[in-house]
Amino acid sequence: EIVMTQSPATLSVSPGEGATLSCRASQSVISNLAWYQQKPGQAPRLLLYDASTRATGIPARFSGSGSGTEFTLTISSLQSEDFAVYYCQQYNNWPRTFGQGTKVEIK
Amino acid sequence: QVQLVESGGGVVQPGRSLRLSCAASGITFSIYDMYWVRQAPGKGLEWVAAISHDGSNKYYADSVKGRFTISRDNSKKTLSLQMNSLRNEDSAVYYCAKAHVGYHDKSELDSWGQGTLVTVSS
Repeated sequence: EIVMTQSPATLSVSPGEGATLSCRASQSVISNLAWYQQKPGQAPRLLLYDASTRATGIPARFSGSGSGTEFTLTISSLQSEDFAVYYCQQYNNWPRTFGQGTKVEIK
Repeated sequence: QVQLVESGGGVVQPGRSLRLSCAASGITFSIYDMYWVRQAPGKGLEWVAAISHDGSNKYYADSVKGRFTISRDNSKKTLSLQMNSLRNEDSAVYYCAKAHVGYHDKSELDSWGQGTLVTVSS
């Protein structure tokens, strides 16, 4: 099983500032990596796939990079609606696995 | 637009069974792999099971293998999860999710239902 490790667990950011979230895979997942955003009481929402491609309707302030085992989600200027929990997920191998999540909270 | 609606959750005693369903609309259901993902209260996301577009391939997390069975009825646009021998640790919100790309076994999940809560408790 590929273990996905996200860091940090919690990120405190002021509105308007940028944020960088990391995701590490225990073995290569090539670029088969997605990022999801989840707000309290809601289902997850797909943000990025193939490590760096924004899903439909996702603002340009969200960007992704990386391949192999190291991935990054960058939010360039946090808006109020961006405070949420973010999960990475690999879809290269079975079983599919998620990271434990990074909570982005208001500083 | 795509809509996935889960049903069948509830409170069940340990060792008992429950069957979840997911009704899809707004998509050509038969071309997409489908997934179940769960989330225990206050915890992260856990992939549970997946089924290929035609039902020929099924995959399970080790934590549910041998107890849960995923199935689909493409004529009814319905995904199911039969959960047997339930344990306290199976308590979670269960989400139905759709692969983004049709006929592709390596795909992210682009549409999710709102989830159905399963509580396993005596």
